[in-house]
Amino acid sequence: GNSVTQMEGPVTLSEEAFLTINCTYTATGYPSLFWYVQYPGEGLQLLLKATKADDKGSNKGFEATYRKETTSFHLEKGSVQVSDSAVYFCALSPAAGNKLTFGGGTRVLVKP
Amino acid sequence: EAGVAQSPRYKIIEKRQSVAFWCNPISGHATLYWYQQILGQGPKLLIQFQNNGVVDDSQLPKDRFSAERLKGVDSTLKIQPAKLEDSAVYLCASSLEQGGTYEQYFGPGTRLTVT
Repeated sequence: GNSVTQMEGPVTLSEEAFLTINCTYTATGYPSLFWYVQYPGEGLQLLLKATKADDKGSNKGFEATYRKETTSFHLEKGSVQVSDSAVYFCALSPAAGNKLTFGGGTRVLVKP
Repeated sequence: EAGVAQSPRYKIIEKRQSVAFWCNPISGHATLYWYQQILGQGPKLLIQFQNNGVVDDSQLPKDRFSAERLKGVDSTLKIQPAKLEDSAVYLCASSLEQGGTYEQYFGPGTRLTVT
């Protein structure tokens, strides 16, 4: 079946540091890939997505590239802010369908 | 545009009691989902509706959980009787197909504590 594995947190960074959160997946065919973010006390929000191999999703300074050859969708941001402190979830939906399978989440804490 | 609404936001019950959660999706979204998010884990799909029909309920513990979506709009999720391991955040989401993909919009969730 489909599965998503992402690095465990918490990840603690200083402001303006570079952030990478690793995500790998197992799925048949060509799934769509997503990063969701959950800020403290709020619901899940879609951060970015990619629907085919080599696509790059980007939003709010975050980027992730769909790598079919390594089955990965790593999230990166060049210079984090305190407001980026949140839990980040990698997820996929199958090529034919819209059911989301989530990774376990990575908590990121950015200190001033 | 109003988002996905859920109520209540918090609920505390004792084990073996029953509880119900309500969700109102974004207007016009045909697909509605209920997820269970246990603390420290990613959300897990419990049930998916397309209009008022069930598309996927393979991970719904049907001996105690039930859900309905009358008239293809609002939905309720019920647990009867509750167990300690049901303590979690219950998320509702809705989606609309756009260009072959379905972007899901999540509500704020209902945090259930079973004591």
